[in-house]
Amino acid sequence: QVQLQESGPGHVKPSQTLSLTCTVSGDSMTSDSYYWTWIRQPVGKGLEWIGRIDTSGGDTSYNPSLKSRVTMSVDPSKNQFSLNMNSVTATDTAVYYCARDGRAFDYWGQGTLVTVSS
Amino acid sequence: QSALTQPASVSGSPGQSITISCTGTSRDVGDYDYVSWYQQRPGKAPKLIIYEVSNRPSGVSDRFSGSKFGNTASLTISGLQTEDEADYYCSSYTDIRTRLFGGGTKLTVL
Repeated sequence: QVQLQESGPGHVKPSQTLSLTCTVSGDSMTSDSYYWTWIRQPVGKGLEWIGRIDTSGGDTSYNPSLKSRVTMSVDPSKNQFSLNMNSVTATDTAVYYCARDGRAFDYWGQGTLVTVSS
Repeated sequence: QSALTQPASVSGSPGQSITISCTGTSRDVGDYDYVSWYQQRPGKAPKLIIYEVSNRPSGVSDRFSGSKFGNTASLTISGLQTEDEADYYCSSYTDIRTRLFGGGTKLTVL
C-alpha cells in the first residue's frame, strides 16, 4: 500500500519561503511513470492544484497563478519530493497535501497545516 | 485559468439518487477524458472515487458513477446513504498541462 507523508514547518513568516517534503513509502517512486503533486486547501475552502513533477525531475508543470513563486524538486533515491514557495503571505495559509498523480490523484498524504503569520 | 463550476450544495434523502455537475470548457473537461472525482470528509484528505470520467478504483462502491457530455462532467450517487455526506470535488486535465479543481459541492443526506 502506497503511503505519502508531508513534513515541514507548520509556521512561516510573511515574505519568507515555505518548504515542504513528501516522503513516499510502500513502493519506489521509480516503479512506474507517475507525477508527484502538491495541492493545497485553505481552511474551509476548496482544493487548489499547485503543481507536479515527474520522477526524473525533468518535467514540471505549475499553476499559472503560483508559477512565479513555486519550485518543485524530487529525490528518487530518498523516495521524496519537495515544494518551495517563496514570498509567502497570509493568503498562502492552508493545509498542504502531496499526492501521486497517475490517471488521477490516487494516493494522498494526510495533509499538513501551514500558517503564514508574523 | 478559472476553477471548474460545481453547485455549492446538493441534498437528498436516504435511498434517493443525486447528481453533481462539473462544468468546464473546451480547454479542459470538453477536450480530455481525464476527469476525476474526490470525496472529502471533514478533517480528512480527499479520496479518489472516479477517474477518467467513469472508472471506479478498486473498493469504491458501484453506487458511484461518472459521465461526461460536452464540457460538463457529472457524478451520480445512487441509493444515498448517510455515510455519503461529504464534500465532493471534480478535477480535470487542461490544455496547458495543468490540473483544475471544481469549487466543491457539499452533499447533505437528509
